[in-house]
Parts: sequence; C-alpha cells; structure tokens
Amino acid sequence: NAGVMQNPRHLVRRRGQEARLRCSPMKGHSHVYWYRQLPEEGLKFMVYLQKENIIDESGMPKERFSAEFPKEGPSILRIQQVVRGDSAAYFCASSPRLGAGETQYFGPGTRLLVL
Amino acid sequence: AQSVTQLDSQVPVFEEAPVELRCNYSSSVSVYLFWYVQYPNQGLQLLLKYLSGSTLVESINGFEAEFNKSQTSFHLRKPSVHISDTAEYFCAVKSDNNNDMRFGAGTRLTVKP
Repeated sequence: NAGVMQNPRHLVRRRGQEARLRCSPMKGHSHVYWYRQLPEEGLKFMVYLQKENIIDESGMPKERFSAEFPKEGPSILRIQQVVRGDSAAYFCASSPRLGAGETQYFGPGTRLLVL
Repeated sequence: AQSVTQLDSQVPVFEEAPVELRCNYSSSVSVYLFWYVQYPNQGLQLLLKYLSGSTLVESINGFEAEFNKSQTSFHLRKPSVHISDTAEYFCAVKSDNNNDMRFGAGTRLTVKP
C-alpha cells in the first residue's frame, strides 16, 4: 500500500510565477490536510479537504492561495504570484476517517524555493 | 485553542545514553497527543499517540511517552538511543473541537558516537 505521494519534491519558482503542488492520499483515504513548515518552525495547518469539498481553510492566507480535491485525481495546492516568503516545505497528510484521534499520514513534502 | 511547546530546540546525546524530549500543551478541552519523527528530507512518521486509557504509551522502536494531565505534559523518552534515532521530533495535539493538528516547533535530536 503506497503511502501519501507528493510531487514535485522540489520546486523552484521566480517571484510572480505560480506554484502547483500535488498530493495523492493513501488508498482509501478521503480526508486530506495541507501544512506549511517554515525554516526552524513546526508545521502550521493550512486547509482540510474531503473529496470535492473544502471543510476548513482557516489556516490559508486570504489571497493567492487555493486548494482543491477533485472527485478524480490528486489534491492540488495552488499558490499564485509567489513571493519569497512563500519559500517553505509544504506537507500533505491524509486519513481514512474523520476523528480527533485519527492518525494523519504524511507525505514527503514539497520544498518550494522562490527566487 | 490548543497549543504545544517543545522546550528544547536541540538535544545532543551520546549513543546508548537515555534521552527525554519535553512537550507541554495547553488546552481547555480534552486532547489527543501525538509524537511524530521526521528524518532528513522526509515526511513525518507517527511514533506514538495517546488517545485514552493508560497514560504510558510505547512505540515499536523503544520510545515511550507519558501523558500527565496535571502537568499538561507528554514527554518522550528512550532509555538508550542509537545513532539512527538522529532526527527531528514533533509533538502535536488535537481535540474534538478542531480539524487541524497543532504542532510544536520541533526538537532536533542528535546522537553522537
């Protein structure tokens, strides 16, 4: 059973470009979470999605960031007009069910560098 | 809202020595507590978690953590570390009131020969 897949693993963008980060959850998992990790900091929650629905986006910046989890295909985190401050590691996690005690399984992350 | 504090950003120890990585949380409601480990350039892997019941939880590779409600702590311990335990360790808390997991800033454990 493959784990959570993320691609690309590394992404370099110039200021003003768009970044698209993909996440394929574990097989059978319908709950996806996105986190951002800034250097020397812990992970910060961004958004929680189920298939075709955004459930909680309280951690998403109000502008330039969006996320989706379509019926078919991976979840996408999209950052428009990237700035240097967007440089970070972005992690996706998935779980099979909703529940406070449910384990979230993490992908290897995408490391975004904005030049 | 919940929050997590990991008191030590870096912990260097010698191989076969005991180690304790400290984690304190704050919450006004019941919580579930987790420890994750992150090896270089990899994602986070669950090490152990406390949901309910026995306050002492163990992982398969010799780590254990004890939930202490009165001290709001969930410290991670291992009696004898290996070089391969070198990694970043994150404590996290979750509750029934929110969808996200709140992470501490992490503790970098470095095991020296």
